[in-house]
Amino acid sequence: DAKTTQPPSMDCAEGRAANLPCNHSTISGNEYVYWYRQIHSQGPQYIIHGLKNNETNEMASLIITEDRKSSTLILPHATLRDTAVYYCIVRGTYKYIFGTGTRLKVLA
Amino acid sequence: EAGVVQSPRYKIIEKKQPVAFWCNPISGHNTLYWYRQNLGQGPELLIRYENEEAVDDSQLPKDRFSAERLKGVDSTLKIQPAELGDSAVYLCASGDGWGTDTQYFGPGTRLTVL
Repeated sequence: DAKTTQPPSMDCAEGRAANLPCNHSTISGNEYVYWYRQIHSQGPQYIIHGLKNNETNEMASLIITEDRKSSTLILPHATLRDTAVYYCIVRGTYKYIFGTGTRLKVLA
Repeated sequence: EAGVVQSPRYKIIEKKQPVAFWCNPISGHNTLYWYRQNLGQGPELLIRYENEEAVDDSQLPKDRFSAERLKGVDSTLKIQPAELGDSAVYLCASGDGWGTDTQYFGPGTRLTVL
């Protein structure tokens, strides 16, 4: 499974869009990009996943570059409750390999 | 729909004692996973079940860890005897086993070994 690279931390103003980048330059053609987040003292929460096309759901949007070597998770209007560690995972088989993620802090 | 349920949420034990964690997956989910998460790290897979069969236990320290999933529903993870280095959060996740088998996590059990 491909490894991912994420910035260790980011800040975002409340009400603004939060754009979380992820590099996965060794991704294979059949591997999906998954995003989870983990709020303090809780289990990881599924956000969104995609293969090639951009995806959107009620929580976020996922933008995957055409060469699939990087992606961006977009939280359109960040709130204080979005403060969490965000994990980008590239998954081919069933196995999730978590990195250390990006610690997003939403500022009032 | 109820999520993944885990108990207990917290457990403090002395080293060399046994400990067990219980997980009830989302109804209808065929796959079940146990992860361990050390402080400041992402979760690491310990074992994966498809129904009642453990299909990947390569990361489970079998000298002291054991797991079971009787009847393909609830699962128990046991440590005997516990060591100081086992202090961590133990997470259970379940997936529907179809397509990409997206995993849904429970709240975890925080184990402290003294």
